[in-house]
Amino acid sequence: EADIYQTPRYLVIGTGKKITLECSQTMGHDKMYWYQQDPGMELHLIHYSYGVNSTEKGDLSSESTVSRIRTEHFPLTLESARPSHTSQYLCASTPRGLSYEQYFGPGTRLTVT
Amino acid sequence: QQPVQSPQAVILREGEDAVINCSSSKALYSVHWYRQKHGEAPVFLMILLKGGEQKGHEKISASFNEKKQQSSLYLTASQLSYSGTYFCGPGAGGTSYGKLTFGQGTILTVHP
Repeated sequence: EADIYQTPRYLVIGTGKKITLECSQTMGHDKMYWYQQDPGMELHLIHYSYGVNSTEKGDLSSESTVSRIRTEHFPLTLESARPSHTSQYLCASTPRGLSYEQYFGPGTRLTVT
Repeated sequence: QQPVQSPQAVILREGEDAVINCSSSKALYSVHWYRQKHGEAPVFLMILLKGGEQKGHEKISASFNEKKQQSSLYLTASQLSYSGTYFCGPGAGGTSYGKLTFGQGTILTVHP
């Protein structure tokens, strides 16, 4: 079983608030990813990292930012939450190499009122 | 650039077979397949790599046609537990090494 954790699992917050979604993995994986997924829809990559101090934007434009100061930790921050940010956010990690699957965390369901 | 999956949805009875297809407009280095149940995170099913290497669960098979940039997932003798949304995730190489772009998903429902 994959050891990748996300907190909080559910978050309801008002417009304009700053939020940070936490993602941690204990597997020593180099690569980590953030996906955004609306109910019943596909996963959209919004950020990824290939290692410490390496972050890139994904295919879907997002107002969020990420950091990778430690291998095991990949937090996502929204400086000013808006109702359009309401979605599920999934974190994933994978070891270096092409032949490894992505391990997904349980997700954070964010609702901005 | 998002891969296209077909069919969008399929309904089966237990024991029946299904094929889910995934087509990409970009050259592929790998294809990942995941299944997601409602309210849960995606779960890994299969990886197919350029050159023929495969890695995945014993009861699930898949094919990868590099020239046609297509992959198919074969679900045989379906069980109730197979219900869920299936996503393919073609992986590119080069500077996009390891990055996946997921398809829109195929909803599979298995009835008793």
